[in-house]
Amino acid sequence: AQTVTQSQPEMSVQEAETVTLSCTYDTSESDYYLFWYKQPPSRQMILVIRQEAYKQQNATENRFSVNFQKAAKSFSLKISDSQLGDAAMYFCAYRSVTGANSKLTFGKGITLSVRP
Amino acid sequence: GAGVSQSPRYKVAKRGQDVALRCDPISGHVSLFWYQQALGQGPEFLTYFQNEAQLDKSGLPSDRFFAERPEGSVSTLKIQRTQQEDSAVYLCASSFSTGANVLTFGAGSRLTVL
Repeated sequence: AQTVTQSQPEMSVQEAETVTLSCTYDTSESDYYLFWYKQPPSRQMILVIRQEAYKQQNATENRFSVNFQKAAKSFSLKISDSQLGDAAMYFCAYRSVTGANSKLTFGKGITLSVRP
Repeated sequence: GAGVSQSPRYKVAKRGQDVALRCDPISGHVSLFWYQQALGQGPEFLTYFQNEAQLDKSGLPSDRFFAERPEGSVSTLKIQRTQQEDSAVYLCASSFSTGANVLTFGAGSRLTVL
């Protein structure tokens, strides 16, 4: 079974600065998807960024980018130019590509606060 | 609809009561998932539907939990004889196809069992 580990329960960043959120995972599969989701107090999970494991190039979405290290099974999220609206819980998640009913496996999450 | 809609947003139940939580997925979405999220934790998988077929219910914690999606659209998660440990946010997510790798989540239903 796949596992996702987020070892930092909380992080804080100054507005306009850069922060990196860590995530490691364990799997025996060679192809899979990795995701970062944001969950604000409204509770709605919002997709931040996704990465296909077969792609070597790190995904980027505006201020958000990942550092995907497949051999190390590491998938960190970098948020540049942090904004007050970035404050939320962030979850790293894994999804297998095999099987029609492949479910997301989430980490425990990290609470990010942004200081004005 | 424009998004995944869940109701009620909040539910308070006395221990032993039955509850039903509803999920309206995005129209046309084939896949539907239920997750349970305890306070301060990540979501945990409960069950999965492909249209009206429940293909995976391995995450349901006990036989008090039951989910259905009779017409392949709206889904209901029912919890019988609620216990305090059932207190959590229940999230529903849907996707357009079985192979799609992006799920759209609802805002969840927060259940508090007293």
